[in-house]
Amino acid sequence: SYLLTQPPSVSVAPGKTATIICGGDNIGSKSVYWYQQKPGQAPVLVISHDSDRPSGIPERISGSNSGNTATLTITRVEAGDEADYYCQVWDSATDDYVFGTGTKVSVL
Amino acid sequence: EMELVESGGGLVQPGGSLRLSCSASGFTFKNFAIHWVRQAPGKGLDCFLGINGDGNRTYYADSVKGRFTISRDNSKNTVFVHMTSLRLEDTAIYYCLKESHFGGYFDLWGRGALVTVS
Repeated sequence: SYLLTQPPSVSVAPGKTATIICGGDNIGSKSVYWYQQKPGQAPVLVISHDSDRPSGIPERISGSNSGNTATLTITRVEAGDEADYYCQVWDSATDDYVFGTGTKVSVL
Repeated sequence: EMELVESGGGLVQPGGSLRLSCSASGFTFKNFAIHWVRQAPGKGLDCFLGINGDGNRTYYADSVKGRFTISRDNSKNTVFVHMTSLRLEDTAIYYCLKESHFGGYFDLWGRGALVTVS
């Protein structure tokens, strides 16, 4: 089955930039989606189709995807960005919806 | 406003059964596939169950195949999951999700229902 690998944690100071990577075999050929899950809450979609922001998601959050790595970038990080972030793809070969292992973003 | 609300979670003994429901509002329910994702304590997200809008196509992860059954009643805007032969490792928060009309991802999540097998 298709695997998506993320670093377990990323730490960033307020006002700086957080970069979260999602690795997968030729992931650049797939559409990647990103979800933010704050403690005790359900996940929320923050990026669709590699780089599209749903309504209400701030411009500070952006995404890109190429080769074997997709990236979620959060600029001007705030305390409220502290959350777990998951990437996700749909694997057409198996018709599976695959989530990454998740990255905990901590704001110092 | 679109909303999904799960119900039916609770504490059950190993080998027992439970039925989860997912009630939808704010969108044309019959037009969208509904999926279930579960999250074990302190763990990541696992998409393990789904049903298309008509209810005639379903998928099950190997971990639940033969034990869980998904169905839907479009007249009631509700999806059901009948869980049997529950195991300790089924303990998790169970979220129901609406698949986007573009397909391939989820644009609406419920708040989740806790299932504890102990």
